[in-house]
Amino acid sequence: EPEVTQTPSHQVTQMGQEVILRCVPISNHLYFYWYRQILGQKVEFLVSFYNNEISEKSEIFDDQFSVERPDGSNFTLKIRSTKLEDSAMYFCASRGTPWDEQFFGPGTRLTVL
Amino acid sequence: KNEVEQSPQNLTAQEGEFITINCSYSVGISALHWLQQHPGGGIVSLFMLSSGKKKHGRLIATINIQEKHSSLHITASHPRDSAVYICAVRTAGGSEKLVFGKGTKLTVNP
Repeated sequence: EPEVTQTPSHQVTQMGQEVILRCVPISNHLYFYWYRQILGQKVEFLVSFYNNEISEKSEIFDDQFSVERPDGSNFTLKIRSTKLEDSAMYFCASRGTPWDEQFFGPGTRLTVL
Repeated sequence: KNEVEQSPQNLTAQEGEFITINCSYSVGISALHWLQQHPGGGIVSLFMLSSGKKKHGRLIATINIQEKHSSLHITASHPRDSAVYICAVRTAGGSEKLVFGKGTKLTVNP
């Protein structure tokens, strides 16, 4: 069964460093998403991406964040200068059409020291 | 006030019991999702619905659009059903954004 994959599973970084979280969505999907979940809190929407551009973003998704689909398979989330409060689980998701359910990846746990 | 409220926050059941988890929302929606999050953190989509009722195995999801309420039922619960169950809504008006509830932590004891 096709699945969304994410790498790495756990990333540890120093405050101020740049990190890139990688996702490989399901191959024929067209809509891509990033979410985050701070430990003990609810999942929060960050950004949606379609047709090579951001279609919607939350107020969390400020200038330190960016997304890219550099080739036909990867979908990345870059955090330019990490802060302690960026420590969270980051989930990628994808879906084929606006009427389909979303398929989530296993998540990347980001720890900022 | 949260746009998506779930109850109960925590639920402990004995194996075999019938489980109900509730979700109420205060915004207009185009769809409602039920998700399962396992202790390792991974999220699995269980249902997406915009009206009526859906069934998959021992899981049943219902939604009442007029009352802005949805329920997730688990029949003949099993310890492997232990997880956090999350309700999330896609707001109306063409938004891609999912708004999540805080989740219901279900523990099923053998």
